[in-house]
Formats: sequence, C-alpha cells, structure tokens
Amino acid sequence: EAGVTQFPSHSVIEKGQTVTLRCDPISGHDNLYWYRRVMGKEIKFLLHFVKESKQDESGMPNNRFLAERTGGTYSTLKVQPAELEDSGVYFCASSRGNQPQHFGDGTRLSIL
Amino acid sequence: QKEVEQNSGPLSVPEGAIASLNCTYSDRGSQSFFWYRQYSGKSPELIMSIYSNGDKEDGRFTAQLNKASQYVSLLIRDSQPSDSATYLCAVDYKLSFGAGTTVTVRA
Repeated sequence: EAGVTQFPSHSVIEKGQTVTLRCDPISGHDNLYWYRRVMGKEIKFLLHFVKESKQDESGMPNNRFLAERTGGTYSTLKVQPAELEDSGVYFCASSRGNQPQHFGDGTRLSIL
Repeated sequence: QKEVEQNSGPLSVPEGAIASLNCTYSDRGSQSFFWYRQYSGKSPELIMSIYSNGDKEDGRFTAQLNKASQYVSLLIRDSQPSDSATYLCAVDYKLSFGAGTTVTVRA
C-alpha cells in the first residue's frame, strides 16, 4: 500500500510569491489533515477534510492559506502571498474512519 | 499552559536499557492518545495508540494511560540504536502534539 505522498519535498520562494503544496493520501482514506511545524515549535493542526468537505479549518493561520480537496482525493494547500513567517515543514496525514493518522514526509517551505 | 507537554530531552540510554517517555495533556475530555516516532527529515510514524486507562503492549513498546492524572507514557524495553529518534506524543483526532523527546540509544 502506497503511503501518503507529498510534493514538492522542498520549496524555496521569495516573499510575496505563491506556492502550492500537494498531498496524495492513502487510497481509500476519507480523512485528510494538514499540519505545520515552524522552527522550534510543535507540529500544529491546520485543517481537516472529510472527503471533499472541510470538517475543521480552525488551525488555518489567516486568509492567505487556501486548502482544497476537489473530488475527495488529493489535496492542495496554497499560500498566497507567502510571508517570511510561513516558513516551516508542512505535513499531510490521512486516515480511514476513526483509525490513526498516517503522515507524509512533509514539504519543507522556505520563504526568503 | 501548553495542550500537550512532554518531558524535556534529550534522553540518552545505553543499548538494552529501558527508555521512559512521559506526556501530560490539558484537556480532560481527551479520548485518543498516540505516540509517533520521527527520524530526522522523515514523517512521524505511528508506533502506539491507546484509548483506555491501563497498559498496552506491542513488542518492545508499552504505552500507559491514566486519564485521571491526564498522563500518558511510553516505555521502550531493550532499547536498540535504531530506536534513536524523536518521539512525539499526540492527543485527539485533531492531533495536538507535544514538542517531542529526542532519544539516543548508545551502543
């Protein structure tokens, strides 16, 4: 079974540019989550999809972040425009029902 | 107060010893508890989940949960160098993570 796949693995962009991160969950997993770890801090929840619907987006930091999951398969997280404080590692996780979450390797985002 | 707190590391243990990791959480209503292992630059990997009070054993790993004390722990028996990693405690479906405890097993 393929795991959670994220790309790119690394992204370096300048402040003010736009970046889109992608997550492919494990096949059959209805739940998809985005998390973020900024330098020196804990991994923090961003949002949760159930299929294509946003179940909980209470962790999204501001309206520069937009997450989508069209068709209930893969998800994208777009940051527009990127700011310096957005730098960090963005993780995606998926699960089936109430089962534990499985994580991708993350996208390391650096804003210059 | 942080939602999830872990004992500060790093923790260094000799090969074959027991590594003990502790975690406390603030939400008394929490129902789901997880331990993840993360190697440098890799994804968090689930190693244990526990939902009811008591002990749960899986191989060399034992998780212990005490909801009254809002405390969850992880014991690693017969520690191996391959256990050297950061261990993350996480709580509930919308995972709240602790800062992690880095464990080094000395050969």
